Amino acid sequence: KAGVTQTPRYLIKTRGQQVTLSCSPISGHRSVSWYQQTPGQGLQFLFEYFSETQRNKGNFPGRFSGRQFSNSRSEMNVSTLELGDSALYLCASSIFRGSGTDTQYFGPGTRLTVL
Amino acid sequence: DQQVKQNSPSLSVQEGRISILNCDYTNSMFDYFLWYKKYPAEGPTFLISISSIKDKNEDGRFTVFLNKSAKHLSLHIVPSQPGDSAVYFCAAARAGNMLTFGGGTRLMVKP
Repeated sequence: KAGVTQTPRYLIKTRGQQVTLSCSPISGHRSVSWYQQTPGQGLQFLFEYFSETQRNKGNFPGRFSGRQFSNSRSEMNVSTLELGDSALYLCASSIFRGSGTDTQYFGPGTRLTVL
Repeated sequence: DQQVKQNSPSLSVQEGRISILNCDYTNSMFDYFLWYKKYPAEGPTFLISISSIKDKNEDGRFTVFLNKSAKHLSLHIVPSQPGDSAVYFCAAARAGNMLTFGGGTRLMVKP
């Protein structure tokens, strides 16, 4: 079974621009979560989507947004990029049992550099 | 406020010996815990998990122990292998898929 795929793997943008990252979950997985990893803050939860609806949101400004499509694929968008948005953005998918915590499987990440 | 902490940034172990990685948490509402390992330029790989109703879970060479009263969990790897060298993250969740991660511990297994 193919794993979680993320595109692109690397991205360079300049301050003020916007960026869209894409994630395809493992086949059959209906929940997609996004995380940001930086050297200073570590791994932090951004948001989770299930059935095209945002279920949970982490403590990030409104410039960070996401969406999920009917085939469970997800995108996240960051508008008005700041230097501090440079990070590894990780997508994780899980089956979604509806109760409790599912095991999340991570993709390889998208390395975003903001100049 | 760090709710999940891994106080040892690094750990060095000889091949064949036991590796013990530790994790402390402060939020008593966490009810599910996971361990991931991460190689550079890759996403975290799931290793093992434990529910708060258990105090131990084993999977091959990996065992996770949970001490709820101390708000502490540990990952034991026996025997350690050079391929286990990576950064290990513990994560906690409260009835959902929003994971709170520790800062990671870099494990180096020497041949």
